Amino acid sequence: QSVLTQPPSVSAAPGQKVTISCSGSSSNIGNNYVSWYQQLPGTAPKLLIYDNNKRPSGIPDRFSGSKSGTSATLGITGLQTGDEADYYCATWDSSLSAWVFGGGTKLTVL
Amino acid sequence: EVQLVESGGGLVKPGGSLRLSCAASGFTFSSYSMMWVRQAPGKGLEYVSSIGSSGSYMYYADSVKGRFTISRDNAKNSLYLQMNSLRAEDTAVYYCARSDIVARSWDYWGQGTLVTVSS
Repeated sequence: QSVLTQPPSVSAAPGQKVTISCSGSSSNIGNNYVSWYQQLPGTAPKLLIYDNNKRPSGIPDRFSGSKSGTSATLGITGLQTGDEADYYCATWDSSLSAWVFGGGTKLTVL
Repeated sequence: EVQLVESGGGLVKPGGSLRLSCAASGFTFSSYSMMWVRQAPGKGLEYVSSIGSSGSYMYYADSVKGRFTISRDNAKNSLYLQMNSLRAEDTAVYYCARSDIVARSWDYWGQGTLVTVSS
């Protein structure tokens, strides 16, 4: 059971928009920055969003992040088949003194 | 170009030990925190351990505390994970990752090394 809760799967058609939620508590999301990672099949994770809503260089603006209270959300617009991947949220947990990851959400672009 | 290359994985018997290495290049290694994350077959990412830029602080997941030790050699641009008393549930691909400069996210990841614990 992960400390951060994500839906196991989401799906949408090409060109559509999808959101992935990440729910935590005051000891993690509520008081720390959230980052999001994309893991394409058979590859290492890749940073998508940092500091709740910032995109690293090279990440298209189709990807966005937001945070409110103890929850965070990843948004992806203009879905492409190449976006099919597992997506993970992560943050520091001040009570555990450890980083925590969500269980991951598998995105299917139908 | 930032590169992280893990090595040292392999097959080990339950109760055995293994030492993973992560060779870093393309950046000033001594300025960044580093982390180990693992992924069991078909499962999600699991935090294992992290270490500050100078090695002054180290953190561990409860699942490995007392069995695993993280360390670094800034002169050799290398990160290590000493794994003792290995269990079947430690079977996973182990990734090393670099923090961003303020250690609020992990911006570069290695390709991973597979550790299999089985008799």
